[in-house]
Formats: sequence, structure tokens, C-alpha cells
Amino acid sequence: GENVEQHPSTLSVQEGDSAVIKCTYSDSASNYFPWYKQELGKGPQLIIDIRSNVGEKKDQRIAVTLNKTAKHFSLHITETQPEDSAVYFCAASDGGGSYIPTFGRGTSLIVHP
Amino acid sequence: SQTIHQWPATLVQPVGSPLSLECTVEGTSNPNLYWYRQAAGRGLQLLFYSVGIGQISSEVPQNLSASRPQDRQFILSSKKLLLSDSGFYLCAWSVRGHGYTFGSGTRLTVV
Repeated sequence: GENVEQHPSTLSVQEGDSAVIKCTYSDSASNYFPWYKQELGKGPQLIIDIRSNVGEKKDQRIAVTLNKTAKHFSLHITETQPEDSAVYFCAASDGGGSYIPTFGRGTSLIVHP
Repeated sequence: SQTIHQWPATLVQPVGSPLSLECTVEGTSNPNLYWYRQAAGRGLQLLFYSVGIGQISSEVPQNLSASRPQDRQFILSSKKLLLSDSGFYLCAWSVRGHGYTFGSGTRLTVV
């Protein structure tokens, strides 16, 4: 089955800095890679996703890159703000009928004002 | 627009008591539905998923069960709670090929 590794487990940055979270996956059949943001006490929220036919996708201050050859994908947050502080999860799936993604273990991002 | 409702938000139950958590989805038809548990730490553990009414798949053997009596309703139950059942329970839905929409979660504390 699929295995997703996520690093780092904790990331501390100063406001205005960039943050990068990296994930690797093992199953070459995976073709859909979403990222979720979970604020304290809330459910995770989908913030950006990328499919295997695209190498990069941007949405304002966040971007995701995908390297299919190396089987890794990354989340990039620029100009970080305190409200970006949360736990971020990556996931990978083959987009099948039951759609059961494999999640990474999560990264706790702390943005210091 | 699609919305997901999950309740209650918090629950404190004694060991050995029953459990019923409900999740409903609006604005979509025939969604895939999921129950996840998030224990202390951060990992998301898939408990059950359903691709249709009455169709339940269990990922982890335990004293919990799930049912889908209607297309957009998913229920998590237990006849007798254990201390180890404490955690943050999340309902989610998706349609094929797209990401999850999670509910707001239920914080369950078994005492």
C-alpha cells in the first residue's frame, strides 16, 4: 500500500519568512495530492491540491510542487502570518472509487509575530 | 453549496456507556462518507468509510460501529465505551477524485 512521509514534524518561523513542508510517497499509481490545514480544535480544511499532470500550482501565498519522478511534493507558504499557525497534513491517493487517501503525520507550523 | 454537520461538539461519557455521533451532509448526492479519529498527537486514523447506503467498510477492528441509514447520514456508535475511545472524531465526505470536506469534529472524553 501507499506510504506517505512528511517532514518536518514541527516548523517554527518568524512572521514574513517562508515555510516549506515536504512529503514523499511510495506508490507510483498515486495521482492526487491534497494539503489540509487544521487549526486548533477544528476539523482539517483543504487548502490546495495538485494532480499528477501538473508540476506546480499557486493560490496567493501558498503553492504546491510535485516531482513525480522523485515521488515527492511540497507545500510552500510565503510571507507567513501568525494566522498561518496550524497543523498541516499532506495526502496521496490514486483517486479510486472509494477514495481512501494516505495522510502524512502532520507538521505543526508556528509563526512567531 | 455543500455543507457537513457533525454533532455534538464535545461529549463526556462514562466508561461502559453507549455512544452515538451523527454526521449529515447537504448539497451533494451519493457522497463517500468517512469517520476518522485523531488521538493526542496529530495522526488521522480512518475508522469507517461508506460508498453508499448500507455499505460500510471497517478499517480498524474495535468496539465501534458505523451505519449509513440514508444517503447523506453517517452514524458512529458504540455499545460500551472504553477509556481508549477518547479522542477527536471527524466525519468527512468526498466525491470521487476530489479532496475531503471535514466536519468540525467531536471531542469525546471517556471518564
